Amino acid sequence: DTGVSQNPRHKITKRGQNVTFRCDPISEHNRLYWYRQTLGQGPEFLTYFQNEAQLEKSRLLSDRFSAERPKGSFSTLEIQRTEQGDSAMYLCASSFPEPGAFFGQGTRLTVV
Amino acid sequence: DAKTTQPPSMDCAEGRAANLPCNHSTISGNEYVYWYRQIHSQGPQYIIHGLKNNETNEMASLIITEDRKSSTLILPHATLRDTAVYYCIVRAVQGAQKLVFGQGTRLTINP
Repeated sequence: DTGVSQNPRHKITKRGQNVTFRCDPISEHNRLYWYRQTLGQGPEFLTYFQNEAQLEKSRLLSDRFSAERPKGSFSTLEIQRTEQGDSAMYLCASSFPEPGAFFGQGTRLTVV
Repeated sequence: DAKTTQPPSMDCAEGRAANLPCNHSTISGNEYVYWYRQIHSQGPQYIIHGLKNNETNEMASLIITEDRKSSTLILPHATLRDTAVYYCIVRAVQGAQKLVFGQGTRLTINP
């Protein structure tokens, strides 16, 4: 078990392009979360899956954002038509569910 | 989920105990107190959680007041590697599953 894995670690994209991030949770964890973190702020919740079902989405998750977790294993977060305001660290976490959530190292997105 | 209040920053000498306070005066009876920390450029790391009894693990101790309106995270022998942002979060185990992070306390351990 190597923990929660996120790829890529860094992504630089031009405004208007689409990007996709991948998260591989700890294998026996059935709960998976996505968060976004900007500089100097705590992580903000985006969405939550239990197995393959997406049970909660934040209002922060605009129509340009979509997340999937096919077969309840890995998850992808796609951002369409990226904007400079999307620049942030995107964090994935998984849990089983307790005692706590385990976070990955994150994907740092820079939109230029 | 209830809101928490933490000091924005604290300093502690290496080898001393670091005591990080958290106020959660509106906590509900079914809400737990969780502590996470985030070392620079890494994802948050779970430290400890508790409901009303004091808790201890290999990383830290958690002291919750009898009225549950505040708590203190104790790192008994702080090292330079404990320099991080520490987040206190209250959350019900059932229902909403997300963690709501505030600004946290930036703890600096000084040599």
